[in-house]
Amino acid sequence: AQTVTQSQPEMSVQEAETVTLSCTYDTSENNYYLFWYKQPPSRQMILVIRQEAYKQQNATENRFSVNFQKAAKSFSLKISDSQLGDTAMYFCAFSPNFGNEKLTFGTGTRLTIIP
Amino acid sequence: DVKVTQSSRYLVKRTGEKVFLECVQDMDHENMFWYRQDPGLGLRLIYFSYDVKMKEKGDIPEGYSVSREKKERFSLILESASTNQTSMYLCASTVSQSPYEQYFGPGTRLTVT
Repeated sequence: AQTVTQSQPEMSVQEAETVTLSCTYDTSENNYYLFWYKQPPSRQMILVIRQEAYKQQNATENRFSVNFQKAAKSFSLKISDSQLGDTAMYFCAFSPNFGNEKLTFGTGTRLTIIP
Repeated sequence: DVKVTQSSRYLVKRTGEKVFLECVQDMDHENMFWYRQDPGLGLRLIYFSYDVKMKEKGDIPEGYSVSREKKERFSLILESASTNQTSMYLCASTVSQSPYEQYFGPGTRLTVT
């Protein structure tokens, strides 16, 4: 069974600073997908960024980027130039093989951007 | 835009009641999922469905059942609600091909008294 660990229950950072959220996972699979989802207060969960394990290049989406270390089973999210709208719960998630299967989520990190 | 809707944002039920939570998606997605979200536990999968009338147990199916009679609708049923089922329930859907993004509904916060 896969497990996903987020060791930072809460984080806060000043607006415009850079913050990194940590995620580690455990799996015996060789091919899989990793995701970061964002859940703003009282709003729907949305996908932030996705990484396919067979791709060595780290995924980037505007101010969001990941540091994917397959051997270390680590998948951290870096938010650059943080904005007030980045305040949310962030969940790291794992999906085996084809990616359309069930997600295993971490326990989440509550990120607060301070004005 | 993909839209996933859930029948209620807030629901209060009594212990022992039968509870139905409805989820509808408008993008012809094959796969649909029900999660419950609890503080400190993240999201845990209750049931999922790859096709109409198909269902598979997730990690915490006990006390729940599901129904998928139409492709766009996936219902979660609490046969006899208990206080330990007080939680936030999230529905999601996705296509069977890349990019495999799961689209989530707004959630139903269920309180069982």
